Amino acid sequence: EVQLMQSGAEVKKPGESVKISCKGSGYNFTKYWIGWVRQRPGKGLEWMGVIYPEDSDSRYRPSLEGQPTMSVDKSITTAYLHWTTLKAADTAMYYCARRLYDSSGSVSFDYWGQGTLVTVS
Amino acid sequence: DIQVTQSPSSLSASVGDRVTITCRTSQSINNFINWYQHKPGKAPKLLIHTASTLQSGVPSRFSGSGSGTDFTLTINTLQPDDFATYYCQQSFSNFGQGTKVEI
Repeated sequence: EVQLMQSGAEVKKPGESVKISCKGSGYNFTKYWIGWVRQRPGKGLEWMGVIYPEDSDSRYRPSLEGQPTMSVDKSITTAYLHWTTLKAADTAMYYCARRLYDSSGSVSFDYWGQGTLVTVS
Repeated sequence: DIQVTQSPSSLSASVGDRVTITCRTSQSINNFINWYQHKPGKAPKLLIHTASTLQSGVPSRFSGSGSGTDFTLTINTLQPDDFATYYCQQSFSNFGQGTKVEI
């Protein structure tokens, strides 16, 4: 069974750093891109970026301006999202998701983690 | 960057109704659009990919159509479990703003 298990909620102060995780299991972790999706309080879903665990190739939403950064550790089938300097605007629920590639060339997020709430206050 | 405009932002419906949600993209994306259902406290769920392909296990009352820049999600015979927020997504990045389907 495909599962993405995310780390627990974080409460941080502005200026602090944090790293949240997403552990994949039940499939070949290195062969599927992992995406990150943000939902700020009361707002919609926002695509943040994707990373390919095999070689850490990544694509970011242009407006992110360098934070957060995505990384992976293939040896433990885990993807990460890392901030060095948190801001109040980073307060959100963060989801990881597996990106499924369709033979037509389309992609979608077919399996999702349960979400990690990051609160910056 | 391809923009995705979803409408309406919310709608009220009753059990048994037929509901239609639309998405428009700022440039042609062929049929590269996905639809998700999102309930409070849960992870989003993929309903339809590639504009009209139903994800495994999703009830057949959900259907998608469209190509180019205009796309539609239809829910036939709305069920109590369908009250949620629905999002379209241009396959490679941006989501629409969401449509909250309320009782």
